[in-house]
Amino acid sequence: DQQVKQNSPSLSVQEGRISILNCDYTNSMFDYFLWYKKYPAEGPTFLISISSIKDKNEDGRFTVFLNKSAKHLSLHIVPSQPGDSAVYFCAAFRRYGGATNKLIFGTGTLLAVQP
Amino acid sequence: GAGVSQSPSNKVTEKGKDVELRCDPISGHTALYWYRQSLGQGLEFLIYFQGNSAPDKSGLPSDRFSAERTGGSVSTLTIQRTQQEDSAVYLCASRRTELNEKLFFGSGTQLSVL
Repeated sequence: DQQVKQNSPSLSVQEGRISILNCDYTNSMFDYFLWYKKYPAEGPTFLISISSIKDKNEDGRFTVFLNKSAKHLSLHIVPSQPGDSAVYFCAAFRRYGGATNKLIFGTGTLLAVQP
Repeated sequence: GAGVSQSPSNKVTEKGKDVELRCDPISGHTALYWYRQSLGQGLEFLIYFQGNSAPDKSGLPSDRFSAERTGGSVSTLTIQRTQQEDSAVYLCASRRTELNEKLFFGSGTQLSVL
C-alpha cells in the first residue's frame, strides 16, 4: 500500500527552465509534507516543507504547492541549475493526532538538469 | 557529533551470516528512524523510536530484523541470517522531537549480501 506516490521516476530539464516534480498521497490524515533531495552515496537532505493549513510555501528558487482536495503536491524549481540534479523524495506524516508520526516517503524522482 | 553518524559505511557479508548496523543520532534528538533503500526503490520505513515509548516496528520486513536503542541515543539494527534480498542502503535518521518535521539523515550503510 503506497501511501505516497511519485509517478515520474525521472525528469530531464534544461538549465534555466522550470522543474516541476509531482507527488500524490492517499492518506487524508497526513498534515505535513516535505521534500528531500538525495545525491548518490549521501543521505537525503531536507529541502522544503509545507503544513496542510497552507497551499504554498516558497524558499528561494524552491516552491511547494499543496492541493488538499486532490491530495497532490508539487515542487517547483526555477530557474533549474545543473547542481539541482539529484533524486527528489516527497514525504508525508501526521504531525498531530496521537498516532505514531512516522515519515512516509515516495519512491523518488531523478531530476537531471542539462547545461 | 554534528550530524547523524552511521557505521560501517559499507558491509559485505555472506548469505546466512548476521550483521549489525550502527547509528549515532544527533545529540539531543529524541526520535530515531531506520529506513532502507533497495536498488531502484524509494525509502522504505523500517522502525521508529521516540523517547521512552515502545518503538513502531511496523516496517520490519521479517522477524530476522530487529533494532534497539540504548540509553535513548545509539541504535543498532541487526539482521540475522542475511538473505540476498536484504542487500540495500540502510539509512538512519533522527529528529529533535516527535513534532519536529525535519529528519536529519546519515550517509547510510551499503549492505551487500553475496
